[in-house]
Amino acid sequence: DTGVSQDPRHKITKRGQNVTFRCDPISEHNRLYWYRQTLGQGPEFLTYFQNEAQLEKSRLLSDRFSAERPKGSFSTLEIQRTEQGDSAMYLCASSLAVAGGGGYTFGSGTRLTVV
Amino acid sequence: AQSVTQPDIHITVSEGASLELRCNYSYGATPYLFWYVQSPGQGLQLLLKYFSGDTLVQGIKGFEAEFKRSQSSFNLRKPSVHWSDAAEYFCAVGATAGNMLTFGGGTRLMVKP
Repeated sequence: DTGVSQDPRHKITKRGQNVTFRCDPISEHNRLYWYRQTLGQGPEFLTYFQNEAQLEKSRLLSDRFSAERPKGSFSTLEIQRTEQGDSAMYLCASSLAVAGGGGYTFGSGTRLTVV
Repeated sequence: AQSVTQPDIHITVSEGASLELRCNYSYGATPYLFWYVQSPGQGLQLLLKYFSGDTLVQGIKGFEAEFKRSQSSFNLRKPSVHWSDAAEYFCAVGATAGNMLTFGGGTRLMVKP
């Protein structure tokens, strides 16, 4: 297993377009998380899944954002009608469902630029 | 609500010098605390974590951190910094229930030759 994979690494899109990112977690990990990181800031939690169930969503996750993990393996994060404020690094992480959580393995992220 | 403060945005140290990065947290219960490192354009790598027990925890790459409940702190230390340690360091706190991590704003470490 090569860790958490995210695709694409970079995405440039025009304002108003839809974009979709993919995350492939470590195969034995049943939890998957999405975070957003803007320049000079720490990552901010967006949402997480345990298997295919989406268990928590941040208020940062507006109606334009949707995440899925249909078979409890890979996940997608879609942003509809992108805005310039959506420009950020989108990080995916996975972990086992152990007490206290954390200790995630992060992917290298997808950097989104909205022009 | 939980929060994390990293008071130092930038720190510059000379190679071979000791390092301490500060982290203060706010959380109502026993916190789960983490330090991550991020190189430019990369994801985050876990350096160490504290769940319970010994308040001095050892991590990878020669780093250690000490949990001080009375000061709500979890400072990261390294006795001798190497040029390859130049990166951004993030402290994070997690809840016992649920798995959302709250990150601090990060400290950018620069290492002088």
